Amino acid sequence: AQSVTQLDSQVPVFEEAPVELRCNYSSSVSVYLFWYVQYPNQGLQLLLKYLSGSTLVESINGFEAEFNKSQTSFHLRKPSVHISDTAEYFCAVTTISGGYNKLIFGAGTRLAVHP
Amino acid sequence: NAGVTQTPKFQVLKTGQSMTLQCAQDMNHNSMYWYRQDPGMGLRLIYYSASEGTTDKGEVPNGYNVSRLNKREFSLRLESAAPSQTSVYFCASRTEPNEKLFFGSGTQLSVL
Repeated sequence: AQSVTQLDSQVPVFEEAPVELRCNYSSSVSVYLFWYVQYPNQGLQLLLKYLSGSTLVESINGFEAEFNKSQTSFHLRKPSVHISDTAEYFCAVTTISGGYNKLIFGAGTRLAVHP
Repeated sequence: NAGVTQTPKFQVLKTGQSMTLQCAQDMNHNSMYWYRQDPGMGLRLIYYSASEGTTDKGEVPNGYNVSRLNKREFSLRLESAAPSQTSVYFCASRTEPNEKLFFGSGTQLSVL
């Protein structure tokens, strides 16, 4: 069965510092991987996704994530965070298998950026 | 284009009461999902429907039933509500497994 583990429930960081939000998944078959973001009092929005090809994927607001098959990880990074990045971040995985379309989320990591 | 529409937005039930959460999407998506969001537990999949006419259990299906009425509509029913079902419920849809989910605005349910 597929599952997603986000290793940190909360990550406090100062503005302009780098940050890494960790995500590990378990699946016996190939996967699609996603990061979603939920800003306070808003719904979830797709931040970036890995489907195939280059293992490093980027979002338009400076986040990037790297797919590591051997470590079954898909960690999210940003070299310099802003106050506006304060939000909850969710890693999610879909197993690729004919007709199979279940999307499982991790428990979330709350990123708090302080001035 | 309304996207994913969920009703109601808020609901208070007494233990043992039943209710149905409605969800409709107008984007011709194949797959629809019901999640519940609880603090510290992220979004947990209750049921999903990969295509019209099919439904499958997710991570936490106990106490719930679903109906994929047609391609547009996917309802979630609580037959006998329990306080443990107090949560925020989200309906979502997408067209393919490699595409992003579109979410409804959520239903805040309290069971007393």
